[in-house]
Amino acid sequence: EIVLTQSPDFQSVTPKEKVTITCRASQSIGTSLHWYQQKADQSPKLLIKYASQSISGVPSRFSGSGSGTDFTLTISSLEAEDAAAYYCHQSSSSPFTFGPGTKVDIK
Amino acid sequence: EVQLVESGGGLIQPGGSLRLSCAASGFTVSSNYMSWVRQAPGKGLEWVSVIYINGNTYYADSVKGRFTISRDNSKNTLYLQMNSLRAEDTAVYYCARNWAFDYWGQGTLVTVSS
Repeated sequence: EIVLTQSPDFQSVTPKEKVTITCRASQSIGTSLHWYQQKADQSPKLLIKYASQSISGVPSRFSGSGSGTDFTLTISSLEAEDAAAYYCHQSSSSPFTFGPGTKVDIK
Repeated sequence: EVQLVESGGGLIQPGGSLRLSCAASGFTVSSNYMSWVRQAPGKGLEWVSVIYINGNTYYADSVKGRFTISRDNSKNTLYLQMNSLRAEDTAVYYCARNWAFDYWGQGTLVTVSS
């Protein structure tokens, strides 16, 4: 099973600040890595697919990078509405797995 | 418009069975990879099962042998048959589309408790 680890677990950030969340895979997964945002009491929402591909309707301040085992989600300028949990997910091989999540709070 | 609507959750005693449904609209279930993902209260996301376009199925170790994923092409609906339920299966269950889960349902809560 491919294990995904995320850092940090929690981040408290002021608006307009840059946010960087990392996801590390226990073995190489190419670019089969996706990022989701989940706000309180809502279903998760796809932000970035295949490590760096943007999703229609997702604000351009969200971007992704990486390949192999190391990946990054960047929020270039945090807005209040970005308070949420963020998860990475690998679809390289079954069992597909998620990272434990990173909670982003607004100061 | 793509839409996924789950149903079938509820309160069930340990050892019991439930069948969850995920009704799809705006696309064809049989032409897509479809998964079930769950989230225990206050916890993170856990992938449960997937059904491939060719009908192959795969499961998380935690549910293997107890859960069965299937689809009904005539109803454009995905299912999750859950048997021998345990307290640790308590969660909101979501269905999701494709390798990158581009669409999710609203979720259905399954509570396993006596």
